[in-house]
Amino acid sequence: QITLRESGPTLVKPTQTLTLTCTFSGFSLTTTGVGVGWIRQPPGKALEWLANIYWDDDQRYKPSLSSRLTITKDTSQNQVVLTMRDVDLVDTATYYCAHRSPYDVGFFDSWGQGVLVTVSS
Amino acid sequence: DIQVTQSPSSLSASVGDRVTISCRTSQSVDNYLNWYQQIPGKAPTVLIYAASTLQSGVPSRFSGSGSGTDFTLTISSLQPEDFGTYYCHQSYTDWSFGQGTKVEIK
Repeated sequence: QITLRESGPTLVKPTQTLTLTCTFSGFSLTTTGVGVGWIRQPPGKALEWLANIYWDDDQRYKPSLSSRLTITKDTSQNQVVLTMRDVDLVDTATYYCAHRSPYDVGFFDSWGQGVLVTVSS
Repeated sequence: DIQVTQSPSSLSASVGDRVTISCRTSQSVDNYLNWYQQIPGKAPTVLIYAASTLQSGVPSRFSGSGSGTDFTLTISSLQPEDFGTYYCHQSYTDWSFGQGTKVEIK
């Protein structure tokens, strides 16, 4: 059974750096085809894909946010970390991490419960 | 970026109705198109992947079709537990989601 859990601060100030950790079980990020992604959802709004990291350490970012994001993995700890620099009020959202299926057509087949991050001074 | 546009943005239907939701992408994504349901306060769950493949455990009243730029999610007979917001998602390149379709039960 695949499980994922997001952790991190619930409140950050503008211009600070947000660091979120996804701790997972039930799969290995060393298995070919597997990946973990981050998706966010501002209150009352749509889902927004942010970044993926793959078993081979390939990293993909939403182009408009790529200068502010870094995604890394620690396979020994079964964790994926997302760093977002220079946060703004508009970055207030629930942040989810999710397991990327190993199929050729990628999709997220398991999600964490999400963590609400509020950006406020 | 590939733009993903869903229609309608919301709908209200009765139990037993046939419901269709459309998704259009700004360029071809082949069959790299997935559908999710999100219940308020919960994380999304995948219904359909690769445009038309039903995810394990998802009721057969859900179906998907399309390829290229035009896709459809169909619920053949709407059930009370089908309320929520539905999102399409392209995973062809620089992944992105549609803006969502909110489904209400009359």
